[in-house]
Amino acid sequence: EAQVTQNPRYLITVTGKKLTVTCSQNMNHEYMSWYRQDPGLGLRQIYYSMNVEVTDKGDVPEGYKVSRKEKRNFPLILESPSPNQTSLYFCASSTRRDSYEQYFGPGTRLTVT
Amino acid sequence: SQQGEEDPQALSIQEGENATMNCSYKTSINNLQWYRQNSGRGLVHLILIRSNEREKHSGRLRVTLDTSKKSSSLLITASRAADTASYFCATPPTGANSKLTFGKGITLSVRP
Repeated sequence: EAQVTQNPRYLITVTGKKLTVTCSQNMNHEYMSWYRQDPGLGLRQIYYSMNVEVTDKGDVPEGYKVSRKEKRNFPLILESPSPNQTSLYFCASSTRRDSYEQYFGPGTRLTVT
Repeated sequence: SQQGEEDPQALSIQEGENATMNCSYKTSINNLQWYRQNSGRGLVHLILIRSNEREKHSGRLRVTLDTSKKSSSLLITASRAADTASYFCATPPTGANSKLTFGKGITLSVRP
């Protein structure tokens, strides 16, 4: 089954404790991205990757890191989480051909206390 | 900055009525996409309309695109309670711009 998986689905952590949210897709997609969703602000792109070893900042990259060592994986790293990073995070992937139709993961709800 | 902006922000209708949602965008596009999100879940792709198309249908969904006005509309006919969700428009990257941007979304409530 074609899918994007994220782990963990729920995470409560404390300020400053490094964490990684994993994202994996099995559709051989070139384009992957991370979004955060906050009430009233919609979906905002954090980082995106056009292909392996190619990443770029989205609209809200501060406080986040990503890597794209393999085509299928695109982890999101919070080196020193802060309470303002409490949010619902989505990973998505698509081909770069033509439409960029996005396939979304189920989301990771992160709470930083 | 967001490319697509939906209107209205919220819409409440009775089951059986039609729901019309609008999206405006700022720069040229190759296509425009609509997505649905059920509460707290990942977005699901609904329909795509290309820049050279004016109207497209998929089941109870009808999408129009007016490139001269830089706007699109999504019509859901004969709405059902199960259509209750948030709806987003999205404009994929073009040219040197590699960002895919979403609007803030429209919250649709369909009352049974």
